[in-house]
Amino acid sequence: SQQGEEDPQALSIQEGENATMNCSYKTSINNLQWYRQNSGRGLVHLILIRSNEREKHSGRLRVTLDTSKKSSSLLITASRAADTASYFCASINTGANSKLTFGKGITLSVRP
Amino acid sequence: NAGVTQTPKFQVLKTGQSMTLQCAQDMNHEYMSWYRQDPGMGLRLIHYSVGAGITDQGEVPNGYNVSRSTTEDFPLRLLSAAPSQTSVYFCASTLDLAHLPLFGPGTRLTVT
Repeated sequence: SQQGEEDPQALSIQEGENATMNCSYKTSINNLQWYRQNSGRGLVHLILIRSNEREKHSGRLRVTLDTSKKSSSLLITASRAADTASYFCASINTGANSKLTFGKGITLSVRP
Repeated sequence: NAGVTQTPKFQVLKTGQSMTLQCAQDMNHEYMSWYRQDPGMGLRLIHYSVGAGITDQGEVPNGYNVSRSTTEDFPLRLLSAAPSQTSVYFCASTLDLAHLPLFGPGTRLTVT
């Protein structure tokens, strides 16, 4: 089964609004990553947050990590039509067989 | 650096045919992995390798073989293609799991 589960599965907002996407995971992690994928294109990494970090910012992106709840959120502020894409969280589990595993993704549509 | 390269970009196979998807990186990355991406399923890990001579199974290994005879190359073999293997395949590499992986451009495979 997949490690990460994003919520909601699809999100539609108006340009200028904030978009919040959530991700839950199952096992202890070393770090959690968020990726973006435009339709028909490859993956672009957005941000990585380590297990000892609680919040990280990068431009209009804000990521939080709550290891007690095994969850993370990605906030995109002042969204733009160009933010329309699929967003994935991925985590690296602790332990001997560390792997990077992905959630199913969230489809974000930003209406101009 | 060429980054992570994948060949071919597109491939159509008939059921039962075999083929090898190539993945190469020139960054001396130890960790390499193969994912498949299907609509609504996100990316699922097929096989991964933590260094030359070492491979391990991911979530969906059945029907695929890998080998890692050199640090640079991590080919993915389909022994007897099935329509269920129609997908987009991504290869990724990273120095180690504390760093963000780089993804290749993907191979779009159709099995008829």
